Amino acid sequence: AQKITQTQPGMFVQEKEAVTLDCTYDTSDQSYGLFWYKQPSSGEMIFLIYQGSYDEQNATEGRYSLNFQKARKSANLVISASQLGDSAMYFCAMREGLGNSGGSNYKLTFGKGTLLTVNP
Amino acid sequence: NAGVTQTPKFRVLKTGQSMTLLCAQDMNHEYMYWYRQDPGMGLRLIHYSVGEGTTAKGEVPDGYNVSRLKKQNFLLGLESAAPSQTSVYFCASSRHGTGHYEQYFGPGTRLTVT
Repeated sequence: AQKITQTQPGMFVQEKEAVTLDCTYDTSDQSYGLFWYKQPSSGEMIFLIYQGSYDEQNATEGRYSLNFQKARKSANLVISASQLGDSAMYFCAMREGLGNSGGSNYKLTFGKGTLLTVNP
Repeated sequence: NAGVTQTPKFRVLKTGQSMTLLCAQDMNHEYMYWYRQDPGMGLRLIHYSVGEGTTAKGEVPDGYNVSRLKKQNFLLGLESAAPSQTSVYFCASSRHGTGHYEQYFGPGTRLTVT
């Protein structure tokens, strides 16, 4: 079973509108973290936002917010007031076992990504 | 700070040739990773290292070897390249700890094996 599922291969949004990119995850750990990365056409991976499993509030970073629903195991990225520069591939990723010692809990598992296109 | 750098940026190999990809970071991070990115597959972890002199296998380690002789460098080797190893390779690094230490990525290396 996939640990990270992004069900939207592609999404379109009009400039200045809000858009939600879906991410569901699968883990039996109690302590884990969820990340969103942006990959523009230039190819670099840019960290956007993080949500810890024990964080009581949804994470926000500027125009990015994370709609974290722990019981449903979803961590959707919300981009408000979309800009043309937001057109990119977006990846959801998970880091499990945060409460464990050792090195294995630093790995990220990525979803397959959602290609967002912002139309003028 | 340069962050995470990768050498080379592009490479074309013939089947059976060998090569080494170099990753360097100047953030004094303990942890380093190698991923490959294929169309429609997201990023998949090849190998990772939790410190100088230590390495471990990730999700797709076959056909690759790694070494971490210095804390700031992480090398990925292909001993006998195959067309299935045509991909974009990303190196990343992160601090250690239980916080939300994100991984910082290099710009990627585009490898084509013919």
